[in-house]
Parts: sequence; C-alpha cells; structure tokens
Amino acid sequence: DVKVTQSSRYLVKRTGEKVFLECVQDMDHENMFWYRQDPGLGLRLIYFSYDVKMKEKGDIPEGYSVSREKKERFSLILESASTNQTSMYLCASRPQGAGEQYFGPGTRLTVT
Amino acid sequence: EDKVVQSPLSLVVHEGDTVTLNCSYEVTNFRSLLWYKQEKKAPTFLFMLTSSGIEKKSGRLSSILDKKELFSILNITATQTGDSAVYLCAVANAGGTSYGKLTFGQGTILTVHP
Repeated sequence: DVKVTQSSRYLVKRTGEKVFLECVQDMDHENMFWYRQDPGLGLRLIYFSYDVKMKEKGDIPEGYSVSREKKERFSLILESASTNQTSMYLCASRPQGAGEQYFGPGTRLTVT
Repeated sequence: EDKVVQSPLSLVVHEGDTVTLNCSYEVTNFRSLLWYKQEKKAPTFLFMLTSSGIEKKSGRLSSILDKKELFSILNITATQTGDSAVYLCAVANAGGTSYGKLTFGQGTILTVHP
C-alpha cells in the first residue's frame, strides 16, 4: 500500500511565523504535489515537483515556497504566515506519468 | 485556464436512494478524469476515466465519461450511511510541464440519512 504521511494533523501558528509542512511518501514516486482545500473552492494546487530539486508553480503559489532535497520528502514553506493561509493542506504523490494521485491525511493549519 | 464544475454542491438523501453526481470540465489538453471520495481524511481514489462511453463500475458505484459533451457522472445506487462524504472530480492535463496536473472541482457533499 502506498503511504503518504504529513508531519502534523493540526497546527496553530501566529501571524508572521515561518511554517514548515512536511510530506513523506514511501513508494519511490517521482511526482509530489501540495494543495490547499477550502470550503466551496475544492482543492487548489500550490506547487508540484517532478523530481528531486525540481519544482513548478501551481495555481496559487503566492506566499508559499517548496523544497525537495530528497525524492521521498516534499516540504511546503510559509515564509511569513498570514490569516488567509488558514486552511487544510493536502500533500499527494504519484509515479511518473499520468494516473491517480495518492493523498496524505492533511494538515489543518490555523493562523491567528 | 482549466476549469471543473461539480453539481450539486450538496445533496441529502435517505438510505436506499440512488444518486447521480455531475462533473463538467473545460481543459486545454485533456488526458483523464478522476473521481475521489473524501471522508474526514485523505481523498481516496475511486475511478479514472479516459475513454468516452465506457462505464467503470465498483460495487454500487459507477461512472461514465462523455468527451464530446465534456462531462462525467458518478452514480451510487442503494446508498448507505457510509457513502456520506465529499466526492471530488478532477481532470488531468496532458500538456507540456502541466502533464498530469490535476484540476479539481468544488466537490459535492453527500449526506445519507438512515
């Protein structure tokens, strides 16, 4: 079974803090993705990575950055958290080529 | 810009009812359409559709794609309370660096009452 894990299920941070969300997959997948999920808006792609050290902007990259130093790990960084970044963050991975993405359990981030 | 629209946004039914969830899309370079089920955790994969008119079936769930009219439906027959979830539709883009990128709809919240 594919397993995608995320470092925290719930996180509360203050405005202006630097926030790291970690995602690890155990299936040697090349592709990894970060989404945020908000009511009425569905899942929106923040960043994705096709391979180690590669990254591409998704639909809403502003205010975020990513890091992929190892194949199994994809980190999402909020350089200076703001209240409008309060959301559910979902990580996913997928083997090279089209097909289903496998999702982690999500991190519910609250920025106060 | 790729776009996926699901309807209805929410639906309340009783056990035993049959439901149909809709997904329409506009995408520059279509590769496939996927359905996911999300309870209070990670979305789980249901179906991937690439060809028009071929029904995919798993137990009480089935789905079909119409590439001419640009939509898909997800049917659930004899609904159970365990079917209560958010159902997500996503379209995969086949073009360039967007290869395999998924664009999601808003989701349909299904509530099944006993």
